[in-house]
Amino acid sequence: LAKTTQPISMDSYEGQEVNITCSHNNIATNDYITWYQQFPSQGPRFIIQGYKTKVTNEVASLFIPADRKSSTLSLPRVSLSDTAVYYCLVGDGLGTGGFKTIFGAGTRLFVKA
Amino acid sequence: DAGVTQSPTHLIKTRGQQVTLRCSPKSGHDTVSWYQQALGQGPQFIFQYYEEEERQRGNFPDRFSGHQFPNYSSELNVNALLLGDSALYLCASSFGRDYEKLFFGSGTQLSVL
Repeated sequence: LAKTTQPISMDSYEGQEVNITCSHNNIATNDYITWYQQFPSQGPRFIIQGYKTKVTNEVASLFIPADRKSSTLSLPRVSLSDTAVYYCLVGDGLGTGGFKTIFGAGTRLFVKA
Repeated sequence: DAGVTQSPTHLIKTRGQQVTLRCSPKSGHDTVSWYQQALGQGPQFIFQYYEEEERQRGNFPDRFSGHQFPNYSSELNVNALLLGDSALYLCASSFGRDYEKLFFGSGTQLSVL
């Protein structure tokens, strides 16, 4: 499974756009990129998943450059409630990676008023 | 539509005891994965069950075992508890090969004294 590297922590202010970048230099052809959000004492929550270019949903956007060696999660106009840990995962969407989803240490985002 | 439910929410045990944690997957999901999350760390993959069999296992000793029932619910058993087993235990469900889109429960907080 490809290893991911993301910042340990980030600070922002309410109303700002936050971009969290994840590096995955060894991403394989079949790998998808998935982001989760986790609040204290809760399980992670699926945010967004993509393979290439740009994916957008009601919560966030995911930007993936052509070489796919990194990806950026974009959260528009964050609020205090977006304070959480964000995990970037890279795995084999076709199952040959072993069916297990591996989490790293994540990025702790702290949104200030 | 109920999401992933776990029981109990909190549990206190002493060293050497055994514990059983339970999980009911999201309706329509057939795969259950278990994770251990220590304070301040990302979730660590324990194992995954599909069609009542352990399909994949992480780097956990044999003291950790599980079971999946015909209704897709699952149990995690930990024998000979150690102090280091104190953690939040998370259950996640998914459907078929879409195992990277995990839906998590709120977890069971286990304290070993």
